[in-house]
Amino acid sequence: QVQLVQSGAEVKKPGTSVRVACKTFGYTFTNYDINWVRQAPGQGLEWMGWMNPDNGHTGYAQKFQGRVVMTRDTSIGTAYMDLSSLGSEDTAVYYCARRQWRGGVRLDPWGQGTLVTVSS
Amino acid sequence: EIVLTQSPGTLSLSPGERATLSCRASQSIRNNHLTWYQQKPGQAPRLLIYGASTRATGIPDRFSGSGSGTEFTLTISRLEPEDFAVYYCQRYDNSPTGDTFGQGTKLEIK
Repeated sequence: QVQLVQSGAEVKKPGTSVRVACKTFGYTFTNYDINWVRQAPGQGLEWMGWMNPDNGHTGYAQKFQGRVVMTRDTSIGTAYMDLSSLGSEDTAVYYCARRQWRGGVRLDPWGQGTLVTVSS
Repeated sequence: EIVLTQSPGTLSLSPGERATLSCRASQSIRNNHLTWYQQKPGQAPRLLIYGASTRATGIPDRFSGSGSGTEFTLTISRLEPEDFAVYYCQRYDNSPTGDTFGQGTKLEIK
């Protein structure tokens, strides 16, 4: 069964950085891009970027460029999202999701989400 | 940058009724790369429809998607109690701006 399992909740101070991990199960990690999406409390979904686990290539939404880095460890089938210079506006649930292409592009499945709280 | 506008913002209906949710794009979406997700409180989004009209595995046939270009629709033919949730449309584009989500439609019990 394909699953994405994310790391636990984080509380961070403004100006610091956070790393969220996304461990994959049930498929060949390097065959599918991993995307990151976040959701602020009571708000909609916001796409952050993608990473190709095979070659490490990435693409980031303009809003996050310079602040986000997406990496991976292929030996353990895990993707990482690092976000720096945190502010209160970065308080959100962060999701990873696998990008599928065959038959039509979509994000499926999704991780369970990781709550990141930025507070002094 | 393509903007997706979903309407209505909130839809109040009763179980058994038909729901029609709209997603309008500010520019034409190439290759019908339009996807619909369902999200319930405290849960991750769940894939419903991709390629504008293809139901994902395990999705009941009361859910259907249609449309092309700039106008897309998600229809739920007969609402079940578990269908009350927030629905998002999303478009994929292989460009620097990347993916875009609509702001969501909340489907609530009347």
